[in-house]
Amino acid sequence: GAVVSQHPSRVICKSGTSVKIECRSLDFQATTMFWYRQFPKQSLMLMATSNEGSKATYEQGVEKDKFLINHASLTLSTLTVTSAHPEDSSFYICSAREQGLAGVKNIQYFGAGTRLSVL
Amino acid sequence: DQQVKQNSPSLSVQEGRISILNCDYTNSMFDYFLWYKKYPAEGPTFLISISSIKDKNEDGRFTVFLNKSAKHLSLHIVPSQPGDSAVYFCAASAAGNQFYFGTGTSLTVIP
Repeated sequence: GAVVSQHPSRVICKSGTSVKIECRSLDFQATTMFWYRQFPKQSLMLMATSNEGSKATYEQGVEKDKFLINHASLTLSTLTVTSAHPEDSSFYICSAREQGLAGVKNIQYFGAGTRLSVL
Repeated sequence: DQQVKQNSPSLSVQEGRISILNCDYTNSMFDYFLWYKKYPAEGPTFLISISSIKDKNEDGRFTVFLNKSAKHLSLHIVPSQPGDSAVYFCAASAAGNQFYFGTGTSLTVIP
């Protein structure tokens, strides 16, 4: 099946630093990738939709200047948490939708997630 | 406002028996539903889907049932195996890209 690689799996950083998380589709092209955040015992919450070659679409309440998304190619999207603070500590997961397959356009393939801890 | 709800945070089932995981939704515009399975320290893995034009979809031991009038979705696993122990999420979308996820149900299959 389709594979999405997310890196790093875990990162610990000091408050005020920036952290970049990468999401790659390994065996398919993804014009659209999604970034989710999950708080403990809560559901996945969509943060933004990343579109190759254009600006990301952010969900209400998500600061686009804080969570920078770049989708420069059909296989790579990055999320940069700028000037991270302890309240940004969370589990971030990306997903990718395979391009152009009839009948499966609504299936998203997920990365393994990144556990961010900001000290 | 939680549009997709999984009211049972956990479920324990004996090996060989049926596991039934439930999901309710509030948005009548949802027309595509997914179930994902998640092991600890891994990302969710797609399990099975169903579109609103159907009321049942079966794939091996996994069957998803959709009751549109009740806005209710269920996943049946028969027979349950210890390897099925994981957290199961249901998700729904409305003719678009965004999926709304439930909070998950942790299934434990007891050998």
